[in-house]
Amino acid sequence: DVKVTQSSRYLVKRTGEKVFLECVQDMDHENMFWYRQDPGLGLRLIYFSYDVKMKEKGDIPEGYSVSREKKERFSLILESASTNQTSMYLCASSLEETQYFGPGTRLLVL
Amino acid sequence: DAKTTQPTSMDCAEGRAANLPCNHSTISGNEYVYWYRQIHSQGPQYIIHGLKNNETNEMASLIITEDRKSSTLILPHATLRDTAVYYCIVRVPRFPGNEKLTFGTGTRLTIIP
Repeated sequence: DVKVTQSSRYLVKRTGEKVFLECVQDMDHENMFWYRQDPGLGLRLIYFSYDVKMKEKGDIPEGYSVSREKKERFSLILESASTNQTSMYLCASSLEETQYFGPGTRLLVL
Repeated sequence: DAKTTQPTSMDCAEGRAANLPCNHSTISGNEYVYWYRQIHSQGPQYIIHGLKNNETNEMASLIITEDRKSSTLILPHATLRDTAVYYCIVRVPRFPGNEKLTFGTGTRLTIIP
């Protein structure tokens, strides 16, 4: 069974804080993704990575950065959290182009 | 990616088969049909995918019509835990260049005890 885990299910942060969201997969997948999901806007791709130390911008990278130092771990960083980054954040990894998602982190920025 | 049309909502009695339809009349030859579901406040869960042959796994069966313009996801013995929003997507599973998954509005399936 594919297992994608995310460090927190719920997170509350203050405006201006630096926020780290961690994602780990245990299936040796090459590709990993970060999305955010908002009501009425669906899934939006923030960043993705094909391999260690590689990253590519998705549709909405502004205000975010990522880190992939190890194959199994893909971190999303909010450099200075803002209220419009309140959202559900979803990590995924892919095997043969089928994406498997983690449970999500619901982030509230006050 | 081709557009899909799904009913907004469906009910199914617990223990019965749930049949979820999806229309994708503009599907092209190299596009696959994927199904995901999302239980409230959780991440999307991959269910099954196929190109033109019917597919079955431990979760569900996927029936694709011969002209590939529609498909049906079948959950053979629905349980209360199958209550979720089900998304049908057609896409070319090609990296690089087509990494982004896009969900439509999906079908909200409610399993009735």
